Amino acid sequence: QQQVKQSPQSLIVQKGGISIINCAYENTAFDYFPWYQQFPGKGPALLIAIRPDVSEKKEGRFTISFNKSAKQFSLHIMDSQPGDSATYFCAASHTGNNRKLIWGLGTSLAVNP
Amino acid sequence: DGGITQSPKYLFRKEGQNVTLSCEQNLNHDAMYWYRQDPGQGLRLIYYSQIVNDFQKGDIAEGYSVSREKKESFPLTVTSAQKNPTAFYLCASSIVAGEQFFGPGTRLTVL
Repeated sequence: QQQVKQSPQSLIVQKGGISIINCAYENTAFDYFPWYQQFPGKGPALLIAIRPDVSEKKEGRFTISFNKSAKQFSLHIMDSQPGDSATYFCAASHTGNNRKLIWGLGTSLAVNP
Repeated sequence: DGGITQSPKYLFRKEGQNVTLSCEQNLNHDAMYWYRQDPGQGLRLIYYSQIVNDFQKGDIAEGYSVSREKKESFPLTVTSAQKNPTAFYLCASSIVAGEQFFGPGTRLTVL
């Protein structure tokens, strides 16, 4: 059973466009929602994270939008650049599962120049 | 420099052999994790440890073993019981309940 569903599986965006990746979860106990960025052959790195007490968090060109009632959260990449081409993973955790991260399956983003 | 190191970067194993992947961190983190990554399947948790001399099975522990004798080290052994070990293996560490920091990974190939 996949507890965090991520879509789309792949995404192609033109340079300067907006990339949007969505995640949905089922367990209402989740209270920490990070996004990780992974380049080929490298380990993932934390990009941005949100807790459910806020509906939006912005860091530079990256924004997380969080909808608690819909149990959904999304990553928006504004002014997408070719250097943003990577795989993006959403995840979720809560104190009841020892803070183990439950991962989405990833979205492969390609930004065309 | 603080961080997580994994070695080797590439590893080749013959069928029936055990191999050990190294993971070391100098971030003074209590928690350490091992993940397996296959194309299209995201990250799957193999084992994790929140304190020295203690560890728990993750979602796909069969065919793997770990030890946590020192805070900074969490080696993973891929045993011959693991039927499909070819994958990209990632080690991570964190303060308990904190952000996970990942190492550069080890790509294991069974010949």
